[in-house]
Amino acid sequence: AQKVTQAQTEISVVEKEDVTLDCVYETRDTTYYLFWYKQPPSGELVFLIRRNSFDEQNEISGRYSWNFQKSTSSFNFTITASQVVDSAVYFCALSEAGTGGGADGLTFGKGTHLIIQP
Amino acid sequence: ETGVTQTPRHLVMGMTNKKSLKCEQHLGHNAMYWYKQSAKKPLELMFVYNFKEQTENNSVPSRFSPECPNSSHLFLHLHTLQPEDSALYLCASSQDISIGVGYNEQFFGPGTRLTVL
Repeated sequence: AQKVTQAQTEISVVEKEDVTLDCVYETRDTTYYLFWYKQPPSGELVFLIRRNSFDEQNEISGRYSWNFQKSTSSFNFTITASQVVDSAVYFCALSEAGTGGGADGLTFGKGTHLIIQP
Repeated sequence: ETGVTQTPRHLVMGMTNKKSLKCEQHLGHNAMYWYKQSAKKPLELMFVYNFKEQTENNSVPSRFSPECPNSSHLFLHLHTLQPEDSALYLCASSQDISIGVGYNEQFFGPGTRLTVL
C-alpha cells in the first residue's frame, strides 16, 4: 500500500528565512509520481510540481526547489527567502503508475501548515 | 469560466435532506475525481471517473452517490448524511495517461464547504 508522511504539522518562520518541508513516501511500485500542492486559505489546491520516479534530477523554479532522493524515499520542498504570501498548507502526494494507464487517485500526506511571519 | 468550478461553495443541510454538489471542468480533461477533506483526516479520495466510467470507489458509504454524465461534469448526490460528513469536498480533473499528454497532474476546484446539522 502507498503512504505519504509529512512529519511537520506546522512550521513558523520569519519572512526571508529559508524553509524546507519534508515528505517521505512508501510504495511497492517501481514507477510512480510525486506531487506537491499548495492550499492557501481560500481552499483551492494549487499544483506546484510533478516528479517521475525515474527522474531524480532536482528542480528549481524561482524561490522554490525540490530535492528528490529515491535512496531515502524523500521528496523535500524548499522555499528560499520566504514571503508572507507563501503562508499556506502544503501537501505532498503520490500516485502509482497503475496497470497500464488510466486515471489514478492521489494519496496525500496530512499536510504542513507553513506560517510566514512579517 | 476557466479551470475547475464547483457549486455551491457553501452548503448547510439537515440529515434528512437531499442535495447535490456540482463540478465542471473547462480543461478538456477526461478524468474527474471527488476528494473529501475533513479536519481530522488527510485528503481522501472518494471516486474516480475516466471517460465517464467509474473506475474507483474508495469504500465510500452509499449515502454519497456520484454521477458523471460526460467528461466535463461531475456530480455528488447527497442523502441522509451524518454530521461527521461535514467537510470540504474537492473536485479535480486530469488528462488520462493513455492520451500521452502529461500524467495525472490533477487540477482542483475551490471546493464545497458542507455542514451537516
